[in-house]
Formats: sequence, structure tokens, C-alpha cells
Amino acid sequence: GENVEQHPSTLSVQEGDSAVIKCTYSDSASNYFPWYKQELGKRPQLIIDIRSNVGEKKDQRIAVTLNKTAKHFSLHITETQPEDSAVYFCAASGSYQLTFGKGTKLSVIP
Amino acid sequence: GAVVSQHPSWVICKSGTSVKIECRSLDFQATTMFWYRQFPKQSLMLMATSNEGSKATYEQGVEKDKFLINHASLTLSTLTVTSAHPEDSSFYICSARDQGTSGYNEQFFGPGTRLTVL
Repeated sequence: GENVEQHPSTLSVQEGDSAVIKCTYSDSASNYFPWYKQELGKRPQLIIDIRSNVGEKKDQRIAVTLNKTAKHFSLHITETQPEDSAVYFCAASGSYQLTFGKGTKLSVIP
Repeated sequence: GAVVSQHPSWVICKSGTSVKIECRSLDFQATTMFWYRQFPKQSLMLMATSNEGSKATYEQGVEKDKFLINHASLTLSTLTVTSAHPEDSSFYICSARDQGTSGYNEQFFGPGTRLTVL
């Protein structure tokens, strides 16, 4: 089955700096890569996703890149703000199941 | 957008009792729903895949006789934790696929149910 590795497990940045979270996956058949933000006690919230036919996608301060050859994808958050502090999960999916990474706790220091 | 609800949002029960959690897709039909469990400071772990009108598919290590799943309609799946024990205390989250979307596995998550077993 699919295996997703996520790094780093914790990340602290100064407000205004950029944050980068990286994930690798094992199944070359995976074609959908969402990123979720989860605040304590709440549901995972989809913040951006990318499909395998695209190499990069951007939505305001958030961007995701995908390298299918190397089987890795990354989340980039620019101009970080304190409200970006949360746990972020990457996931990979073929046609059926989502497999999640272990999560990155992002702390944005004012 | 697609909305998924869960009920209850939290429940406290005594050891040995059973608890039922409902997951509903409010504005779309979901042939497939997924049940996840999340322990504190950990990731979401898929427990089972619930298919409307058929038996659920359980992940390795998940006891199907303990975690009963029913998906009787296109908008409702239920998870019943039978004979609950303190180690079953966790955050249970469901998700649903919108069968009207593309072939990609986009899932919409419910708000989760916090189960505490005393």
C-alpha cells in the first residue's frame, strides 16, 4: 500500500517568513495530493490540493509543488501569520483511499 | 461546498457500553464514506471504508466485530463502538466522497466525535 513520509514534524518560523513542508510517497499510481490544516479538536480543513497532471499550484500565500519522478510534493506558505499556526497534514491517494503523513506542527512566532 | 456532519460531537460513556456515531453528507450523495481514528498528537488512521449497500472494508488490525459500520443510505453511515474500553477513547472522524466529482479521491471531512470511555 501507499506510504507517506512527512518532514519536519515541527517547524517554528518568525511571522512574515516562509514555511516549507515536504512529503514523499511510495505508490507511483497515486494521482491526488491534498494538504490539510488541522486546529486542535477540529476537522482537517483542505487548504490546497494538486493532481498528478500538474506540477505546481498556487492560491494566494499557499503553493504546492509536485515532482512525480521523485515522488515528492511540498507545501509552501509565504508571509506567514500567527493564524497559520496549526498542524498540517499531507496525503496521497490513488483512486480509493487517502494515506496521511504524520503531520507537521507549525508555530508562527509574532 | 460539500458538507459532512457528525453526531454527537462528543460523548462520554462507561466501559462496556456501546456508542453509535452518525456521519451524514448534507448536500451530496456519498456512495463511499471513510472512518478515521486520531489519537492525541497523531495523524489520522483509516479504520474502514463504508460502501452504501454493502459490507464495510476494514483496515488491518481493526476489529470488525468491535467497530460496526452501517451505510444504509447514500447520505448516512454509522459507526458503533461496541463494548467500549478506555483504550477506545479517541477522536473519530468520518469523511465522504462526492460521487458527482471527478475520478480523484476528494474527501470531505466531518467535524469529528470525541469519545471518552471511563
